[in-house]
Amino acid sequence: DQQVKQNSPSLSVQEGRISILNCDYTNSMFDYFLWYKKYPAEGPTFLISISSIKDKNEDGRFTVFLNKSAKHLSLHIVPSQPGDSAVYFCAAVSGAGSYQLTFGKGTKLSVIP
Amino acid sequence: DTGVSQDPRHKITKRGQNVTFRCDPISEHNRLYWYRQTLGQGPEFLTYFQNEAQLEKSRLLSDRFSAERPKGSFSTLEIQRTEQGDSAMYLCASSWTGAEQYFGPGTRLTVT
Repeated sequence: DQQVKQNSPSLSVQEGRISILNCDYTNSMFDYFLWYKKYPAEGPTFLISISSIKDKNEDGRFTVFLNKSAKHLSLHIVPSQPGDSAVYFCAAVSGAGSYQLTFGKGTKLSVIP
Repeated sequence: DTGVSQDPRHKITKRGQNVTFRCDPISEHNRLYWYRQTLGQGPEFLTYFQNEAQLEKSRLLSDRFSAERPKGSFSTLEIQRTEQGDSAMYLCASSWTGAEQYFGPGTRLTVT
């Protein structure tokens, strides 16, 4: 049973436009959420995170929004650049114990020049 | 700036052989994690160390798998009697806080 779902396997966006990647979760115990970016043949790279006590966190071109009532988060990239082309993973953590990450299946973003 | 390193980057082995992977975490990080990623999936948690103590293991970690972190620094993951289903990318991550984990480049295992 997938506790973290990324329902769009792929997304294509024109350079300079906004990219919006979505993620849904089912486990109410999750209280911290992260986005990772992964290039082929590399490990995931941490991008941005958000605590469940917030509804928005911003870092440069990247903003993550959290809607707890809908169990939904999204990553906005503005403006999108060709170097942003990668697979993006949403991950969630329950704050107790090991802090093991539960990942979605990822969304492949292609930014077209 | 030394991030998480993993060795080897690629391993091809025949079914039934044993393999061992190494992970060197970021030096000040006391938490170390192993994950496995197969094609089309996100990484899946295997096991977790805090310092040298292995505190949690996933049910994915069958008895053919063993992990150690002998002095609370580097870690090894051994797979005995490899099976074709073990073919995957094995990822190591380390953390100081727990939630924000920093991943190594992974070891790609192919079992023929």
